[in-house]
Order: sequence, then C-alpha cells, then structure tokens
Amino acid sequence: EVQLQESGPGLVKPSQSLSLTCSVTGYSITSNYWGWIRKFPGNKMEWMGYISYSGSTSYNPSLKSRISITRDTSKNQFFLQLNSVTTEDTATYYCARSHWETPFDYWGQGVMVTVSS
Amino acid sequence: DVVLTQTPVSLSVTLGDQASISCRSSQSLEYSDGYTYLEWYLQKPGQSPQLLIYGVSNRFSGVPDRFIGSGSGTDFTLKISRVEPEDLGVYYCFQATHDPLTFGSGTKLEIK
Repeated sequence: EVQLQESGPGLVKPSQSLSLTCSVTGYSITSNYWGWIRKFPGNKMEWMGYISYSGSTSYNPSLKSRISITRDTSKNQFFLQLNSVTTEDTATYYCARSHWETPFDYWGQGVMVTVSS
Repeated sequence: DVVLTQTPVSLSVTLGDQASISCRSSQSLEYSDGYTYLEWYLQKPGQSPQLLIYGVSNRFSGVPDRFIGSGSGTDFTLKISRVEPEDLGVYYCFQATHDPLTFGSGTKLEIK
C-alpha cells in the first residue's frame, strides 16, 4: 500500500525558508507524480506544485519565484522548499501521489506549519 | 486561473436523505484529449483529504456507490444518496485540466 509521511518544523520565522520532507513507502517515486498541496486556516486549498517520475517539476505561478520541489530517489523521498515565508504561508501542508487518471489519490497525514516570529 | 465555485457553502442533511453539491467552473474542463479532469475530494474531521470521484463520474477504489458524480463542460454535481454519519466533512471539487490546478472553495456537510 502506498503511504506518505510529511516531516519538518512546525514553526518558521518570517523571511526564512520552509523545508518539508515527504517519505514514501510502498511505491517508487520514479513512477507517477508527487505533489504538495496546502490548506489554509478556513477551507481554502492550494496546489503548490509537483515533481514527476522523471524529475521534472511544475509549480503554481503564484509561488514560482519562491518554491522548489526536489527528490532523493535513493531514499524514496521528495522535498518542498518555500523561501521568504510570511504569515500568509501558515497552513497545513500535504504531500500526495498523483496519477494522470486519479489526481492526488494518496495523501500524507499533513503537517501544520506556523509562520511567526 | 480556473475558478471553481461550489454551492452551497454548507449543507445540513438528515441521515438517510440525499445531498447535492454543485461545482461550476469559469472555463470548460474538457481537455484536448476529450477527458475531463474534474475530481471530488472529502476531508473528514481530523483527516487528510481523500479522493472520491475522478474524471467527473468514476468512483475511486472503496468509495460507496452512494456517491455519484456527473456533469460536463463547466457544470458538475456530486450527489450523495442516503447520507450516513461518516459522510460529514468538507467536500472539494478540483480540476487538473488547466494549469495551475485549482480547488473549489469547499462545501461543509453537517448531519442534522
């Protein structure tokens, strides 16, 4: 069974970088697509970007200058880095697998990140 | 960006009754290959979102047949027949036809 688990600091200071890891078991990240989605306080959900089976990436233009998604295939992990964070980046961050036919069919449990000094 | 407008914002339903959620897109969601990348997710309290419906009307593995997706172009509907207690949560439509991928604003389903 595919399982994803996010990890990373729950508190980040404004202007610093947010770095999260998604560890995947039960499936190789060299297949399909692997994305990051966040949910803001309230109900708003935002797709942030993904990394493909080949290592190519696609990002939400609203974040394009600040976001980077990379991977380590030897550890079957992929990573999110979001630079120059502000309080508006406070959210719960999810990683998820995406198949062309079934987008975001498996999700991690999410990690809450607060941006505050 | 494609805007997905969900209505209603919240819904209170008696157990056993039907619930219906609308998702209207600012652009057609039919891709050039003829496929429509419109999905529905449910986020139950304290849980991650889970995929219910993909490609407008296909139920994901393990999803009960009480969940029925329909629609085309810019107008889509999720119907839940015979609502059960475990159906409560926030429902989102989502489109993967146009970049950037976008979610609807969410519909909160409560049980009366």
